[in-house]
Amino acid sequence: GENVEQHPSTLSVQEGDSAVIKCTYSDSASNYFPWYKQELGKRPQLIIDIRSNVGEKKDQRIAVTLNKTAKHFSLHITETQPEDSAVYFCAASMYRDDKIIFGKGTRLHILP
Amino acid sequence: DTAVSQTPKYLVTQMGNDKSIKCEQNLGHDTMYWYKQDSKKFLKIMFSYNNKELIINETVPNRFSPKSPDKAHLNLHINSLELGDSAVYFCASSQASGRGDEQFFGPGTRLTVL
Repeated sequence: GENVEQHPSTLSVQEGDSAVIKCTYSDSASNYFPWYKQELGKRPQLIIDIRSNVGEKKDQRIAVTLNKTAKHFSLHITETQPEDSAVYFCAASMYRDDKIIFGKGTRLHILP
Repeated sequence: DTAVSQTPKYLVTQMGNDKSIKCEQNLGHDTMYWYKQDSKKFLKIMFSYNNKELIINETVPNRFSPKSPDKAHLNLHINSLELGDSAVYFCASSQASGRGDEQFFGPGTRLTVL
């Protein structure tokens, strides 16, 4: 089955700097890669996703890149702000079964 | 106008008891899920239903039994609760099976087994 590895498990960056979270997946049939943000005590919420026919997608301060050959994808957050502090989960799934396999999460701390 | 709702929000119970968690979505979605999030924040899928039909059943003890009376509801019943069942349980829904759609999560139910 699919396995998703996520690094780092914890990341601290100075406010205004960029943060990068990296994930790898094992099943080359995976074709949908969402990223979820979970604030303390809240539910996970989708912040951006990318499909396998695209190499990069951007939405304001967040961007995701996908390298299908290497089977890895990354989340980039620029100009970080205090409200970016949260746990971020990468995930991978195949269209045919909608089963999303999550990475173990990255706890992002934005330092003042 | 809550999209995905769960009850109860908190559940504290003794080992050996049986309990249920209810989930409802008003988004008109076809697929619903149950996830377990342990103390290390690891999110693991347990079950998935599409139009009341079970489509994903991960390696979960058979003490856990999902029930979907209609496509807007997916309940989770747990028999003979154990200490290791303590976690936050999230219900989620998505538009359709087979398209890689966004999953909308409920607020979670924090289960504590004493």
